[in-house]
Amino acid sequence: DTGVSQDPRHKITKRGQNVTFRCDPISEHNRLYWYRQTLGQGPEFLTYFQNEAQLEKSRLLSDRFSAERPKGSFSTLEIQRTEQGDSAMYLCASSNRTSGSYEQYFGPGTRLTVT
Amino acid sequence: GENVEQHPSTLSVQEGDSAVIKCTYSDSASNYFPWYKQELGKRPQLIIDIRSNVGEKKDQRIAVTLNKTAKHFSLHITETQPEDSAVYFCAATPLGDSSYKLIFGSGTRLLVRP
Repeated sequence: DTGVSQDPRHKITKRGQNVTFRCDPISEHNRLYWYRQTLGQGPEFLTYFQNEAQLEKSRLLSDRFSAERPKGSFSTLEIQRTEQGDSAMYLCASSNRTSGSYEQYFGPGTRLTVT
Repeated sequence: GENVEQHPSTLSVQEGDSAVIKCTYSDSASNYFPWYKQELGKRPQLIIDIRSNVGEKKDQRIAVTLNKTAKHFSLHITETQPEDSAVYFCAATPLGDSSYKLIFGSGTRLLVRP
């Protein structure tokens, strides 16, 4: 499968714990985006990378959230001291701007449940 | 910033009928408008998109129209089939935003009755 992959697919954690998610984009894609989707809503932008540089962070991304893309390939999203309000689907998407394309391809998401 | 409104929130049609979903956007600088289909528990999948220099685009049973003056765009699905049942999201991205992040509407749940 050459599409975007995410791991884990599901994560249940207790409030206050830290969690980390991983995203592997399509190999030639230089841009990687993180979105959050809550039930019944469209995805909301969190942050994006061009290669290894994190170029924009949404105001939705509190100080408890951090994202990295150390070698310009896979990315991780960490949430520290999770809260119940963090429960959502976390989606990763990638695109290939070097080809002039705007298209973003999404991964299957990581569903986080904070109890 | 950009804001995208989508309606209706739910749409039920008989198999074979057409379905139309409409979106409006606020930022006149937006220039790229994709539509995604999301089945239950699955990833959003890009089904069609349109750029601001084009008024209409068609791909088999799916078409998208764009009215830049009115700042709205629509998804048209003809000859609907039960497998078209899903949640559909429209999105926009503003030209002046080098991130090309997508601003999504709130989604339309389409049910095609056999």
